[in-house]
Amino acid sequence: GAVVSQHPSRVICKSGTSVKIECRSLDFQATTMFWYRQFPKQSLMLMATSNEGSKATYEQGVEKDKFLINHASLTLSTLTVTSAHPEDSSFYICSVAGGSLGTGELFFGEGSRLTVL
Amino acid sequence: KQEVTQIPAALSVPEGENLVLNCSFTDSAIYNLQWFRQDPGKGLTSLLLIQSSQREQTSGRLNASLDKSSGRSTLYIAASQPGDSATYLCAALNQAGTALIFGKGTTLSVSS
Repeated sequence: GAVVSQHPSRVICKSGTSVKIECRSLDFQATTMFWYRQFPKQSLMLMATSNEGSKATYEQGVEKDKFLINHASLTLSTLTVTSAHPEDSSFYICSVAGGSLGTGELFFGEGSRLTVL
Repeated sequence: KQEVTQIPAALSVPEGENLVLNCSFTDSAIYNLQWFRQDPGKGLTSLLLIQSSQREQTSGRLNASLDKSSGRSTLYIAASQPGDSATYLCAALNQAGTALIFGKGTTLSVSS
C-alpha cells in the first residue's frame, strides 16, 4: 500500500497564529488527497478533498478561508490553519487513495496533533 | 446522507476469545467498506477492504463480511491477543469515491 507521511506530528501554537501541516505520499503519485479532523472520542470527519493543480473541495461547514489547502505536486498537500483558536485544537489526518486501480483503498498518515493555547 | 454506526462502543475480553465487531450504514450505495485500526494518538492502519460486489475478506485472524442489502458489516477477530487492543473503525466509501464516512469506532481491550 501507499506510504503517507505527515509533519509535524505534534504542534503547539498560540491563539491567532497560523500553522502548516504537510502530507506527503512517499511512494505513490496522488492526484487526490483527503484531509480529516478527529476530535477526542469522535469519528474522523472529512474536511476537504485536495486536488493536485486545482482548488480543494471543502465539505459543508468547513471554512475554506480558515483551512487553506494547497496541493502543488503529486506528492505533497499542505493544510494551513490560519488564525488558529483553541477550538481548532484537534487531530488532523490526511489520506491518499493508493490501492490497486479501482479499489478505492485509502491509506492514512500518522496524523498531526494541533494544540492551540 | 450516509451515517455509519458501530456497536459496541467499547469491548473488553480476555486473551484467546473470538469476537465480533459490528458496523451498520444507512446508504447501501457504497463503493467499498473498509476496516481500520487506530492506536491511541496515531494514524489509521488499513486492515481489510471489501468491495461492494464482495461478501467477505480475510487476513490472518481477521475476517470481515459485508451485507450491502441490510447495510451491515462485521469484523471477526479470532483468538484475540493483547496486541489487538486498539480502536477499530469502519468506513463506507461512496460510489463516486469522493467521501469516506467513518463510524465512531469500537475500542477493544484484550487482557492477558
